[in-house]
Amino acid sequence: QQQVKQSPQSLIVQKGGISIINCAYENTAFDYFPWYQQFPGKGPALLIAIRPDVSEKKEGRFTISFNKSAKQFSLHIMDSQPGDSATYFCAASENTPLVFGKGTRLSVIA
Amino acid sequence: GAGVSQSPSNKVTEKGKDVELRCDPISGHTALYWYRQRLGQGLEFLIYFQGNSAPDKSGLPSDRFSAERTGESVSTLTIQRTQQEDSAVYLCASSLGRGDYGYTFGSGTRLTVV
Repeated sequence: QQQVKQSPQSLIVQKGGISIINCAYENTAFDYFPWYQQFPGKGPALLIAIRPDVSEKKEGRFTISFNKSAKQFSLHIMDSQPGDSATYFCAASENTPLVFGKGTRLSVIA
Repeated sequence: GAGVSQSPSNKVTEKGKDVELRCDPISGHTALYWYRQRLGQGLEFLIYFQGNSAPDKSGLPSDRFSAERTGESVSTLTIQRTQQEDSAVYLCASSLGRGDYGYTFGSGTRLTVV
């Protein structure tokens, strides 16, 4: 049973464009929704996170949008740069070990 | 240490052999997690240690998998009688404790079973 569904699997974006990655969840008890960024050969690193009491959180070029009624959340990367090329994972938790999506491989091309 | 350290970084083993993977968490982090990352499959939870509490073993895929942790420091993940489907990257993460989701991951151990 996949508790967090992530799409798309891969994404190619032009430099300067907006990258959008989506996740959907089923467990309404989830109360923490982070996004992790992973470069080849490295472990995932926490990028940004949100709790369900807010609908949006922004940190620099990265924004999480959260839709509680639809049980969906998304990551927006504004002004995408080649250095943003990595694999991105959404995750969710209800005071339990994080449950991760399957990941999105983002390629930002010049 | 400054980060989570895992060893070895790469391990090639023959089918049927036992392997031990090691994780050194960040000092002061009471929570430690093991995840498995198969190609294209995301991160699969294996086991969670929190202080001196009994570990959450709910993610271990079979009885060939086991893990131990010494107090709030080093952890070892042991896979007995390895199979080709065990080939994956095994990631360890630590955090300040239950409810702290700012996991810090190590770079992982890439296990290849031939």
